[in-house]
Amino acid sequence: EAQVTQNPRYLITVTGKKLTVTCSQNMNHEYMSWYRQDPGLGLRQIYYSMNVEVTDKGDVPEGYKVSRKEKRNFPLILESPSPNQTSLYFCASSFLGRRGETGELFFGEGSRLTVL
Amino acid sequence: AQKVTQAQTEISVVEKEDVTLDCVYETRDTTYYLFWYKQPPSGELVFLIRRNSFDEQNEISGRYSWNFQKSTSSFNFTITASQVVDSAVYFCALSPNNNDMRFGAGTRLTVKP
Repeated sequence: EAQVTQNPRYLITVTGKKLTVTCSQNMNHEYMSWYRQDPGLGLRQIYYSMNVEVTDKGDVPEGYKVSRKEKRNFPLILESPSPNQTSLYFCASSFLGRRGETGELFFGEGSRLTVL
Repeated sequence: AQKVTQAQTEISVVEKEDVTLDCVYETRDTTYYLFWYKQPPSGELVFLIRRNSFDEQNEISGRYSWNFQKSTSSFNFTITASQVVDSAVYFCALSPNNNDMRFGAGTRLTVKP
């Protein structure tokens, strides 16, 4: 079954304790991205990746890191989480068209993170 | 600057009413893509449609239809004869060729029986 898998789905942590949210897709998609969803703000893009070893900042990259060492995985790293990073996080993947344009996004189920 | 505005925060209708969700976008790019996604109460995000900037034909899929007007930078979504199962948050999104994806704040649609 084609899917995007995120882990953990729920996490409560404390300020400053490094954490990683994993994301894996089994569709051989070139494009992967991370979003955070906050009430009234919709989804905001954190980082995206066009292919292995290629990553770019989205709208709200501060406080986050990513890596793309393998095509299927795109982990999101919070080196020193702060309470303002409490949010619902979504990973997504997509094929890229002939001109490098993004296709339909396939989303993971979301990871709800609380930073105390 | 790339921006998507969904001015309607919440809409409530009674079943079988038609409802239109507005989406206005801003971009300087001549080539771009527009999307609509649905987020039902269960929380997952579901793709509805993708449209490129060169294709201004309206699209109909069952009870759903989309009206793309480049002249007004709008990509509105209409649900005909709404049903309770249509209750969800709907997001409009814009992606120019650089793959930066911008979402609107979403419109929460409630369809009452």
